[in-house]
Amino acid sequence: GDSVTQMEGPVTLSEEAFLTINCTYTATGYPSLFWYVQYPGEGLQLLLKATKADDKGSNKGFEATYRKETTSFHLEKGSVQVSDSAVYFCALSDRSGNTPLVFGKGTRLSVIA
Amino acid sequence: DVKVTQSSRYLVKRTGEKVFLECVQDMDHENMFWYRQDPGLGLRLIYFSYDVKMKEKGDIPEGYSVSREKKERFSLILESASTNQTSMYLCASSFVLEQFFGPGTRLTVL
Repeated sequence: GDSVTQMEGPVTLSEEAFLTINCTYTATGYPSLFWYVQYPGEGLQLLLKATKADDKGSNKGFEATYRKETTSFHLEKGSVQVSDSAVYFCALSDRSGNTPLVFGKGTRLSVIA
Repeated sequence: DVKVTQSSRYLVKRTGEKVFLECVQDMDHENMFWYRQDPGLGLRLIYFSYDVKMKEKGDIPEGYSVSREKKERFSLILESASTNQTSMYLCASSFVLEQFFGPGTRLTVL
């Protein structure tokens, strides 16, 4: 079945450092890809998405590019802030949207001042 | 904005109790989901529903049941709570691709 693998955390960075969280997927067909973020004490919220190859999703300074050839969707941010401390989940969905999202296990990011 | 609400943020129950976790969404979404979140295991799908009175088992349905009598409400039921059901429970609803999550219920079973 479909699956998502993301780098294990926790990841600890200093403020203004560059962030990369790796995500690769296995899927039949042509999925849509997502990054969700969970801030402390809250539910998940959509951070960005991409629905076709070479699409770049972006939001709040975060970016991820849908790479079909490497089956990857790595999350990047050029300069992290303390407020970015959260758990980040990579996920995929089939094209129909009629099956549940498949999530990675999450990567905890801590940013220190 | 889509809003998904869960009946409690924190809940403490005793082993053997029947527990109801309620979830309500206000955007007329067809699809609703229940997950549990545990450290190191990520999100695991318990049950989901694509329509009123319909339900589908997820990856870990054992020990749980669900009810969807109205489109906006999806309830998770622990028939006889056990300590290994201590967890964070997350409800979500979706339209097409994007899922919208509630704030979660942290359940402790003593």
